[in-house]
Formats: sequence, C-alpha cells, structure tokens
Amino acid sequence: KQEVTQIPAALSVPEGENLVLNCSFTDSAIYNLQWFRQDPGKGLTSLLLIQSSQREQTSGRLNASLDKSSGRSTLYIAASQPGDSATYLCAALNFGNEKLTFGTGTRLTIIP
Amino acid sequence: SAVISQKPSRDICQRGTSLTIQCQVDSQVTMMFWYRQQPGQSLTLIATANQGSEATYESGFVIDKFPISRPNLTFSTLTVSNMSPEDSSIYLCSAARLWETQYFGPGTRLLVL
Repeated sequence: KQEVTQIPAALSVPEGENLVLNCSFTDSAIYNLQWFRQDPGKGLTSLLLIQSSQREQTSGRLNASLDKSSGRSTLYIAASQPGDSATYLCAALNFGNEKLTFGTGTRLTIIP
Repeated sequence: SAVISQKPSRDICQRGTSLTIQCQVDSQVTMMFWYRQQPGQSLTLIATANQGSEATYESGFVIDKFPISRPNLTFSTLTVSNMSPEDSSIYLCSAARLWETQYFGPGTRLLVL
C-alpha cells in the first residue's frame, strides 16, 4: 500500500528566499506524481504533474523533480512571495489504481 | 483543464438531518471522486463515483451513510445522511480523465450542530 510523507509539516521563510518542499513515497511503481496547493478553507489547485518517465517539470517560479528510485519528489519555489503562503500537498498515482494517495502536506508561510 | 463547481459552498445543519452536495464539471471526465478533509488534516477518499452504477467506497465509508449518484459524465452528488457533529468537515469533489491531472472543486464546508 502506497504511503506518502511530507516533511516538514510547517515551514516559515522570509520573502525572497528560494525554498524546497519534500515528498517521499514508499511504492515506486507510480504512474505520476502531482503537486497541489490549498489555501485555507478552499479546494486544491493543481500546480504540477510529473509523469513517471520525467525527472522534472517547471511552471513559472515552480520546479518539481521526481526520483522514483529513491521514492522522492521535491517542489522548488524560487524568489518566494507572501502570496505563496498556503499548504502544499503532493499525491502519487500508482499503476493499476486510479486513486491518488495524498501526503499530509506542508504548511508554508512566507514572512514579508 | 477542468473547472469544477460545488453547491452549496457551506451549510450549517442539525444533527440527524441529511445534506446533498452537488458537483458539476465543465467537461466530460472519466473519473469523479469525493473526499473528506477534517480540520488540520489531509484528504481522505470517501468513494469513486461511477457513471450509471454504484459508487466504489473506501474502507470505513458505507453507502447508507454516504449515498452517491453519478447520472452522467459531468455531474455527481454526495449525500451525508443522518448527520452527527463528527461529520463536520470540508467535502471535496474532484475529477480527472484517466491517468491525467486531477482537478478539485472549491469544497463544501459543513458544520453539524
């Protein structure tokens, strides 16, 4: 059974700094891995999707990497802004299973 | 991409009553899902909504408590039955085409008194 872990649970960073969020998964037979952000009391917004055959994906200031062999993905945020403050969730989709397995999330606070 | 709307956005309900949440997708999708997110927690999958047939429930969730309908490729409903305060949560609908990005609705915030 796939298990997804995100450490740390919370992170505070001064505005302008670059930062990395971590995601670990136990079953490397994934089809893809997705990163989402969630603002308080809101739904999830899809940020990036990395297919199992890819090593990274980029969108603006966001870069997500995937290393299946080590069971890890990272989300890199460049030049952080207060608007980046949110909870970030990663989720793995395994072969033969159409359901995402979510991590516990990292609550990010960017300090102005 | 897909845009998902949910109704109602929030509700306050009395113990013992039922609430039906609607989920509408702006394009045809293969998969539709219902999640629950309790305060400070990550998402827990309730069930996969199957078009024209019974939903597939996850362990710990039963049809009598959470009946689900999906009459077509773009619409689904989740009913929370015989509610108790423990059902207070955010309920989220999501949708995806098979093996593609999963999109989420804005959620329904439910408070049961």
